[in-house]
Amino acid sequence: AQSVTQLDSQVPVFEEAPVELRCNYSSSVSVYLFWYVQYPNQGLQLLLKYLSGSTLVKGINGFEAEFNKSQTSFHLRKPSVHISDTAEYFCAVSDLTSGTYKYIFGTGTRLKVLA
Amino acid sequence: EAQVTQNPRYLITVTGKKLTVTCSQNMNHEYMSWYRQDPGLGLRQIYYSMNVEVTDKGDVPEGYKVSRKEKRNFPLILESPSPNQTSLYFCASSLAYPNEQFFGPGTRLTVL
Repeated sequence: AQSVTQLDSQVPVFEEAPVELRCNYSSSVSVYLFWYVQYPNQGLQLLLKYLSGSTLVKGINGFEAEFNKSQTSFHLRKPSVHISDTAEYFCAVSDLTSGTYKYIFGTGTRLKVLA
Repeated sequence: EAQVTQNPRYLITVTGKKLTVTCSQNMNHEYMSWYRQDPGLGLRQIYYSMNVEVTDKGDVPEGYKVSRKEKRNFPLILESPSPNQTSLYFCASSLAYPNEQFFGPGTRLTVL
């Protein structure tokens, strides 16, 4: 069965520093990948998605992610974070070959941006 | 405004008292889903619906029921809630699987 691993439960980083949030999924022939952000006391909103094509995907708020099929990874990056980026980030996958229509989420990474 | 709405936003109830959490979307989406969010566990899919009258189990369906009689509505039913169902619940919709999902604001449920 498909699974998603976000190894870092919490990532503290200083303002204006770069950040990388890691996401790995179990191998599959064909997957769609997503990053969502959840600000405190809110629902989730889409940051970016990989469906096909270019492996470097750009999203909102200056975030980008790179799809690496050989390493089954989809790490999220931002070159310079702001205080307002403090939130929880979730990686998710939909597996087109699983025979189901489920979305699988990781356990989340809490990004804390420090002044 | 395109949105997913959930009601109620907060609910405190007692063990065994049946409850329904409503979910509605105004985007004519085919796919709808329910998740629960628990600390350290992320989001886990409870049930999903590919379209009207088509529903299927997610990864944690025990203790929950759903129905999809209209395209816009996807209520979550807990017929006999238990304390282990205390959680934050999210409804989501998507134009179709496997596209991105739009999430509701969440329902915080406490079962005493």
